[in-house]
Amino acid sequence: EAQVTQNPRYLITVTGKKLTVTCSQNMNHEYMSWYRQDPGLGLRQIYYSMNVEVTDKGDVPEGYKVSRKEKRNFPLILESPSPNQTSLYFCASSLSSSVDEQFFGPGTRLTVL
Amino acid sequence: KNEVEQSPQNLTAQEGEFITINCSYSVGISALHWLQQHPGGGIVSLFMLSSGKKKHGRLIATINIQEKHSSLHITASHPRDSAVYICAALNTGNQFYFGTGTSLTVIP
Repeated sequence: EAQVTQNPRYLITVTGKKLTVTCSQNMNHEYMSWYRQDPGLGLRQIYYSMNVEVTDKGDVPEGYKVSRKEKRNFPLILESPSPNQTSLYFCASSLSSSVDEQFFGPGTRLTVL
Repeated sequence: KNEVEQSPQNLTAQEGEFITINCSYSVGISALHWLQQHPGGGIVSLFMLSSGKKKHGRLIATINIQEKHSSLHITASHPRDSAVYICAALNTGNQFYFGTGTSLTVIP
């Protein structure tokens, strides 16, 4: 089944404790992206990747890191999480460029205490 | 200032009504996407538009590049259409900007 998976789905952590949210797609998509969704603010793009080893900042990259070592995986790293990073995070991918339909992962709900 | 503005924020309709959701954007775009977010939180892509009009079943999306405006129409609305509809503009730098969404409730 074609899908985008994210893990974990739910995470409660404390300020400053490094964490990684994984994202994986099985559709051989080149474009992958991370978003956060907050009440009243909607979705905002954190980072995106046009292909392996190519990543670019989105609208709200501060406090996040990403890597794209393999085409299928695009992990989101929070080196020192803070409470303002409490949010719902979505990973998405699309086929050959950012103008194709995006497939979204199920979301990761992160709480930073 | 938001690069993408959606209206209305909330919409309640009776089953069978024709529904229109509007999206205006201020950035130069490569494409505009319409997304649907179900009450459980999952997001699916409905349309990707760079010009003109697209139709999938009861859903129609249009875009006017000169006026920087797009509309999503739902004909013969049904309670299962109840969801949040989100407009997303892809700028020429491959970056996405999102509207804050329109929450639609269709009453039987």
